[in-house]
Amino acid sequence: EAQVTQNPRYLITVTGKKLTVTCSQNMNHEYMSWYRQDPGLGLRQIYYSMNVEVTDKGDVPEGYKVSRKEKRNFPLILESPSPNQTSLYFCASSLLWQGAPTGELFFGEGSRLTVL
Amino acid sequence: AQSVTQLDSQVPVFEEAPVELRCNYSSSVSVYLFWYVQYPNQGLQLLLKYLSGSTLVESINGFEAEFNKSQTSFHLRKPSVHISDTAEYFCAVSEGGATNKLIFGTGTLLAVQP
Repeated sequence: EAQVTQNPRYLITVTGKKLTVTCSQNMNHEYMSWYRQDPGLGLRQIYYSMNVEVTDKGDVPEGYKVSRKEKRNFPLILESPSPNQTSLYFCASSLLWQGAPTGELFFGEGSRLTVL
Repeated sequence: AQSVTQLDSQVPVFEEAPVELRCNYSSSVSVYLFWYVQYPNQGLQLLLKYLSGSTLVESINGFEAEFNKSQTSFHLRKPSVHISDTAEYFCAVSEGGATNKLIFGTGTLLAVQP
């Protein structure tokens, strides 16, 4: 089954304690992206990757890091989480068409993070 | 810069009634338009898309949306809703180019009541 898998689905942590949210896709997609979803703000892009070792900032990258060492994995790293990073996080992937993502994104089920 | 406006944060409707979820965008170039649906405790799923050609596009579960260039709109409609249509619906727009970045609206919660 084609899917994007995120872990953990739920996490409560404390300020400053480093954490990683993993994302893995089994569709051989080149493009992967992280979003955060907050009430009244919709989805905002954090980071994206066009292929292995190619990553770039989205609209709200502050406080986050990513890496793309393998095509299927795109972990999101919070080096020193703060309460304003409490949110629902989604990983998504898509194929590229003529070098650009198609716009047809496949989303994971989300990771709800609470930072106390 | 492109942007997407979904004016209605919540739309309550009775089962079997028609519904329209509104989406307006701003862009100075040609756009691609999408509707995504998010069922409770799930990720977003693509519902339908407009890339080119016919301005009326349909989904497999009875939703349709019409691209109106003069009104810069892409409203989503269904003639008769079911309880199972209860979900949050996101409109999104992209302008193509090297990153084909998707900009999402703030979402509309469709609440279908029996």
